[in-house]
Amino acid sequence: DAGVTQSPTHLIKTRGQQVTLRCSPKSGHDTVSWYQQALGQGPQFIFQYYEEEERQRGNFPDRFSGHQFPNYSSELNVNALLLGDSALYLCASSLTAYNEQFFGPGTRLTVL
Amino acid sequence: SQQGEEDPQALSIQEGENATMNCSYKTSINNLQWYRQNSGRGLVHLILIRSNEREKHSGRLRVTLDTSKKSSSLLITASRAADTASYFCATAPTSGTYKYIFGTGTRLKVLA
Repeated sequence: DAGVTQSPTHLIKTRGQQVTLRCSPKSGHDTVSWYQQALGQGPQFIFQYYEEEERQRGNFPDRFSGHQFPNYSSELNVNALLLGDSALYLCASSLTAYNEQFFGPGTRLTVL
Repeated sequence: SQQGEEDPQALSIQEGENATMNCSYKTSINNLQWYRQNSGRGLVHLILIRSNEREKHSGRLRVTLDTSKKSSSLLITASRAADTASYFCATAPTSGTYKYIFGTGTRLKVLA
């Protein structure tokens, strides 16, 4: 049983560009959450998707958007990239909201 | 502001010793989870403890939860060099949100 997978592993973009990150949840999991982790910090909650809807959002601007597909996989889109968006982006899946979250290996985004 | 705050920020011990790290939080919670992260990679789930539980064990790990003090502790017994990592607590508030909030983590170094 594959765990949570994320693609790509690394990404380099320039300011103003747009990026799409992808996540496949652990088999059987219906809830996907995205986090941003800056160097030396704890993960910051971006948003959570359930039943193809954004169920909860953290303190991130509208430049951050997402999508969940019928197979529960998810995408994170970031528009108009800023230098400060450079971080490790983590996807986590769980079976419903208040259970263990299983994390993917993350996507390292560098904005130049 | 961070819901969970780990203490200490960094901890260095000898192999075989026990390591204790603490987490404090601010609001009522549904559950609290502990995670391990190696070198900026994905987080590994360690233990979930619910608000009506006081203690849980998993192998060499023991977690306690004191909801009256809004605090939790993670004890790693007989530590190994492979336990070297950052450890985070994450809380799910009971306010009807689905937003897990992570602390800034404890960086544990186990010396062989």
